Amino acid sequence: GNSVTQMEGPVTLSEEAFLTINCTYTATGYPSLFWYVQYPGEGLQLLLKATKADDKGSNKGFEATYRKETTSFHLEKGSVQVSDSAVYFCALSPEGNQFYFGTGTSLTVIP
Amino acid sequence: DTGVSQDPRHKITKRGQNVTFRCDPISEHNRLYWYRQTLGQGPEFLTYFQNEAQLEKSRLLSDRFSAERPKGSFSTLEIQRTEQGDSAMYLCASSLAHRSLTSTDTQYFGPGTRLTVL
Repeated sequence: GNSVTQMEGPVTLSEEAFLTINCTYTATGYPSLFWYVQYPGEGLQLLLKATKADDKGSNKGFEATYRKETTSFHLEKGSVQVSDSAVYFCALSPEGNQFYFGTGTSLTVIP
Repeated sequence: DTGVSQDPRHKITKRGQNVTFRCDPISEHNRLYWYRQTLGQGPEFLTYFQNEAQLEKSRLLSDRFSAERPKGSFSTLEIQRTEQGDSAMYLCASSLAHRSLTSTDTQYFGPGTRLTVL
């Protein structure tokens, strides 16, 4: 079946620290992979995506590389800011219709 | 910028009552999705439409749930005889599918309707 496993939180980092949020997946076929972010009091927003193996998605200093051999799509950022505090969701879409989401990882960045 | 909107934002109801939620997608989007999200979990897929056709329904969608998208624009999600276990955030998303059945479209989410069943 299709599923996403995300690193459990909450994660607390100091400003300018390096961030990694792990995401691994199980899927049939060749899914597209996504990271969504949910800021406090707001709806889910697409952060980045990758549609095939070895693709790297990037946005706002965040990056994730689609690794088929390890079935992973880990989210990284070199230097986090207080404004990055949010809940991050990894998701996959095996056929472009239904999405499967992870449970979310809460990130708090302290000054 | 008119994103996905949902109404109401909050709904409190008593067990056994019926509730209906509305979703207005981004105007040119032909696909519309409903998800349910409970505390500490990611969104779970319920159903989706391509234009007015309901193409897929999750096993999570019991007979008490029904969704419509009569003119291929807005959609409604009705829950009949609500139960306490229905308490959750109901999310709507829309996308523009460029190909008939498969796509890597980005889904744009609304703010959600938070349902509390007492």
